[in-house]
Order: sequence, then structure tokens, then C-alpha cells
Amino acid sequence: KAGVTQTPRYLIKTRGQQVTLSCSPISGHRSVSWYQQTPGQGLQFLFEYFSETQRNKGNFPGRFSGRQFSNSRSEMNVSTLELGDSALYLCASSLAGLETQYFGPGTRLLVL
Amino acid sequence: DQQVKQNSPSLSVQEGRISILNCDYTNSMFDYFLWYKKYPAEGPTFLISISSIKDKNEDGRFTVFLNKSAKHLSLHIVPSQPGDSAVYFCAARAVSGGGADGLTFGKGTHLIIQP
Repeated sequence: KAGVTQTPRYLIKTRGQQVTLSCSPISGHRSVSWYQQTPGQGLQFLFEYFSETQRNKGNFPGRFSGRQFSNSRSEMNVSTLELGDSALYLCASSLAGLETQYFGPGTRLLVL
Repeated sequence: DQQVKQNSPSLSVQEGRISILNCDYTNSMFDYFLWYKKYPAEGPTFLISISSIKDKNEDGRFTVFLNKSAKHLSLHIVPSQPGDSAVYFCAARAVSGGGADGLTFGKGTHLIIQP
């Protein structure tokens, strides 16, 4: 079974721009969660989607949003980028959200 | 407020010996705990998990112990191998009304296996 895939792997943007990241979960997995990893804050939960609905949300500003499609693929959008948004963004999938989460390789975002 | 703490940023162990990685938590609502291993520029790889109704789970060379009264868990790797050198993250999950909350991670412990 193919693992979680994320595109693109690397991205460079400038302040004020917006960015969209994509995640394809493991086949059959319906829950997709997003995390941000930075050297200072570590791995932090952004939000979780299940059946095209945001079910849980972490403590991030409204500039961070996401959506999930009927095939369980998910996108994450960050608007009005700030320098502090530079991070590794990780997507994880699980069957229904209560089981073990499996992570993708991440998208490395650099904001200049 | 850090709800999951890994107090050792790094740990050096000789090949063949036991590696013990520790994790403490403060949130009594956590009911499921996981350990992940991470190499630079890669996503975390799931290693082993334990439910709060158990106190031990074993999978090959990896064993996780949970002490609920002390709010402490540990990961034992026996025997340690060079390929085990990586950053290890402890993570915990609380179940809320709408399903599981996101995982709360510790800051990680960098395990170095010395030949």
C-alpha cells in the first residue's frame, strides 16, 4: 500500500503571499491531520479533517485553513504569509481518526 | 504549557546495549500514547503505541511501558542498533466528543548509537 504523499516537497514564498499544500492519504484512510514543525515550537497540531469536515482544530490563527475532498485528499492553505510560517508542514492519515496516524514526508516552506 | 515532556534532548548508547527514552505528561485526559522515530527532512515514522488501559506493549526490539499514576511512559530498545540513531518523539492523544484530538508531541530525544 502506498504511504501518505505530500506535494510539493519544497516551496519558497515571500511575505504576504498565500500557499496551498496538498496531501493524499493512505488508501482507505478517511481522517487527515495537519501539523507544523518548527525548531522552536516542535510539532504542533493544526487541524483534522474527516468526511470532508473539519472535526478538530489546534491553536493557530485563521490564516491557516484547509479542506478535504470526497476522495479524502486534503489541502492546506496559508494566506498572508509571515516569516514565522517557515516550517515543515506534515500531513498524517488514519482510518477514522482514533487510530495510529501515519505521516507523509512533509512540505518544507520557506518564507522570505 | 508543555503537556508532553521529553526531558532529555539527547541520549548516547553503545551498540548492543539497551536504550531507554523517557516521556512525562500532565493531561489526565490522554488515553493513547505513541512513539515515532524521525530522520532529518522526513516525516515521523510510527514505532509503537499503547492504550491507557495497558501498562506494557511489545513489538520486536521495542517495548513501551506506561505508568499512569506517575504519568510517565518509556520506550525501551533492546538491543540498540546503529540504524536506531534518530530523533524519537513521544506523542499523546485525548479523545474528545467529536473524535480524537490531534496528537500532542514532546520536543524529541536525539538518540545516538555508538559503535
